[in-house]
Amino acid sequence: DVKVTQSSRYLVKRTGEKVFLECVQDMDHENMFWYRQDPGLGLRLIYFSYDVKMKEKGDIPEGYSVSREKKERFSLILESASTNQTSMYLCATIKQGASEAFFGQGTRLTVV
Amino acid sequence: GDSVTQMEGPVTLSEEAFLTINCTYTATGYPSLFWYVQYPGEGLQLLLKATKADDKGSNKGFEATYRKETTSFHLEKGSVQVSDSAVYFCALIFFQGGKLIFGQGTELSVKP
Repeated sequence: DVKVTQSSRYLVKRTGEKVFLECVQDMDHENMFWYRQDPGLGLRLIYFSYDVKMKEKGDIPEGYSVSREKKERFSLILESASTNQTSMYLCATIKQGASEAFFGQGTRLTVV
Repeated sequence: GDSVTQMEGPVTLSEEAFLTINCTYTATGYPSLFWYVQYPGEGLQLLLKATKADDKGSNKGFEATYRKETTSFHLEKGSVQVSDSAVYFCALIFFQGGKLIFGQGTELSVKP
């Protein structure tokens, strides 16, 4: 079974803190994605990556950055957390050429 | 740009009613289409998929047909159950490049 693991299930951070959300997958998938999920807005794509050290902006990249130093790990970084970044964050992976995505359990981040 | 539009929720039905959740997409190429389901407190699960025009995906009594001429992938079920209460997401992915795009989600509530 494909396993996509997000480092934390729940996280509380203060405004202005630097926040790291980690996603690790164990199936050698090339494509990895970060989404945020908000009521009424669905899943919005923040950043994605096709390969190591490669990144592409999604629909809402402002206030976020990412890092992919190793194929299995894709990190989402909030440089200076703000209250409007309070959300559920989901990581997903897809093998190149395949058609099914696999998701982590999500990280519910609260910025106070 | 590429996008997915779903009918707005919440949708409230009585048990054994017929369900349709509309989904249309805009895409420059030929994506694969998916329906994902998120039960309360759980992560996203793949419900069904279709990878080319006129394909019909089906699972657990749900079905959807990939209609290229109307760029649609409507989800249907003949007789819903209380246990079908969840949020349903329509999504598309391109075979090349792997970009995965979601609709905003439709919340379904089935009453006994």
